[in-house]
Parts: sequence; C-alpha cells; structure tokens
Amino acid sequence: AQKITQTQPGMFVQEKEAVTLDCTYDTSDPSYGLFWYKQPSSGEMIFLIYQGSYDQQNATEGRYSLNFQKARKSANLVISASQLGDSAMYFCAMREGGNNRLAFGKGNQVVVIP
Amino acid sequence: DTAVSQTPKYLVTQMGNDKSIKCEQNLGHDTMYWYKQDSKKFLKIMFSYNNKELIINETVPNRFSPKSPDKAHLNLHINSLELGDSAVYFCASSKRGSYNSPLHFGNGTRLTVT
Repeated sequence: AQKITQTQPGMFVQEKEAVTLDCTYDTSDPSYGLFWYKQPSSGEMIFLIYQGSYDQQNATEGRYSLNFQKARKSANLVISASQLGDSAMYFCAMREGGNNRLAFGKGNQVVVIP
Repeated sequence: DTAVSQTPKYLVTQMGNDKSIKCEQNLGHDTMYWYKQDSKKFLKIMFSYNNKELIINETVPNRFSPKSPDKAHLNLHINSLELGDSAVYFCASSKRGSYNSPLHFGNGTRLTVT
C-alpha cells in the first residue's frame, strides 16, 4: 500500500513567491522520519529537510520549511522566495523506526517562472 | 570529496548482456542501498546492506545481484539485461538503523537497454 501520497499536478510558481507542496503519509509506527528531496533536471537527489515524529517544532532549513501536522499525517514542504533554480521534482519520503527503508512518494514537479 | 559516487553515469547496452554498476561512499555509513527510478520518476528500493549483510531484498528478478565487498562499497550486477531494465539506478547510504538519518544518494546511473 502506498504510504506516501503526493497528488498535486505539476506546478508553476512565480519567481520570489512561496510554494507549498503537499505530502500525506500513513504509518502505525510511532517513530518515523519524514524527508524531502529535490531532483533537478540534472538528475541528482538532493536532501533538503527532515522532520522527526517526536519533534515539537516544524523543521526549517534556509528557505525550506516543513509544515508538520501529525494528527492529519501531513508534512507539507514550503519553499519561500522561489528562485529559478528551484525548478525541479520534489519527493516526500518516510522512514519508519522499525524499518530500514526510505519510501518515496511519486513526486511533485515545480517550475519557477520569471 | 564526493560522498557517494557511482559509475558509470551512463550505460547503453543490448538485450542479453551482463553489466555492473559500482558504488562507493566515504561518509563512514554502515548501510547502503540500491534504488530504481522508472520512467515516471518513481523511486523504489531494490536492496539494502548493513555492514556487508543483506537486509532488504525487494521483489527483484534474480538477474539482479548486489555485492558488498566492504561497508563502503555496494555493487550491482545485472545478468541477461531486458528492455524493462532501462531506468536510472541510484546508490545511497545512511547511518545504520536510525529513522532520523537521511539517505545520501549518488548521482545515478542511467541504464538504457536496446
């Protein structure tokens, strides 16, 4: 069963605006980690941000922040002040405590337009 | 000072051939992975090793055989290549058994089977 759901179609965002990428997850494990990765057109997978299931505060890394709503099982990525270099596929992923694997969602395509 | 390096970056070969992809990490991680990214960009785990021991073996044809000579290396050998094997293969590594540890990915190997 799909544990990570990313359902938004491709998104266009104006440069300097903020964009929110939705991610919902499903787990019964109380211990888990949520991750976002960026994959630009060059193909590499770049780790952006992490949120732990026991973390009380939302994670932030520079222009990236994670809107973690545990009861709703959502972990949305917010990119503030979009730049042209933010154009990429963005993947949400989850790693459960009792499991060594990182399970990915299907990704969101973001295109930043000047 | 590349963290996870895999070679080759591109691999074009004919059906029926045997090929290998090599991966090395210098992060001191105990766990290494192979992921496959299909044409729709979906990332799926294939194998995982902890300190040379196979711990995850997804439903992958036995034409695919991983080998880990030491905890810093994980190679993937593919026998009798088929058209459906065409994909991008990513090697990754992480700290062992920690759900808050991100995976660090190599740059991928684009395999094209003709």
